[in-house]
Amino acid sequence: SQQGEEDPQALSIQEGENATMNCSYKTSINNLQWYRQNSGRGLVHLILIRSNEREKHSGRLRVTLDTSKKSSSLLITASRAADTASYFCATAPIIFSGGYNKLIFGAGTRLAVHP
Amino acid sequence: EPEVTQTPSHQVTQMGQEVILRCVPISNHLYFYWYRQILGQKVEFLVSFYNNEISEKSEIFDDQFSVERPDGSNFTLKIRSTKLEDSAMYFCASSERLATGELFFGEGSRLTVL
Repeated sequence: SQQGEEDPQALSIQEGENATMNCSYKTSINNLQWYRQNSGRGLVHLILIRSNEREKHSGRLRVTLDTSKKSSSLLITASRAADTASYFCATAPIIFSGGYNKLIFGAGTRLAVHP
Repeated sequence: EPEVTQTPSHQVTQMGQEVILRCVPISNHLYFYWYRQILGQKVEFLVSFYNNEISEKSEIFDDQFSVERPDGSNFTLKIRSTKLEDSAMYFCASSERLATGELFFGEGSRLTVL
């Protein structure tokens, strides 16, 4: 089954604007994480939110998690051209022990921030 | 800053050939993963590895794939007989503790099967 489906698939904004990306998932999770990928490069962890948390901040990033709707959002405030990248949500499906042993990534949102 | 390193950065091979992709995870990490990303598409889970054995593998990780941690530092992915559809970017990742969850990714190995 699909996990971590992001929308929109692509987002184009001007510098200084806020960017909001959404993620939906299907199974119970231990946590949800957001990663960033510059073109052709590896993924870089941005932020992790646990299933018992509702909101988390890190610098210009704000993540929310609604486990009843199985959805999350990533907000980047005051965007910069350097924020141009693909952003992926990744979910950690719970296994029998209550832990997890993999992250499942979505297809990502391609963000373009224009100067 | 510690990092995950992968070699080679790019490998071109003929269909049917064996390929070994190598990864050196961060030294105190205990959990290791391989993912792949076909150009422009989603990042797909292949396999997770802990305590010298596979923890979980996906449907993609069939008998043509194997992983090994031969010497306590390297973590390898072997594809026995490559197919055209194996062309992708392969990412190695490691994490220190399962509960904290953050994965550290290498820069990837691009595999091109001709």
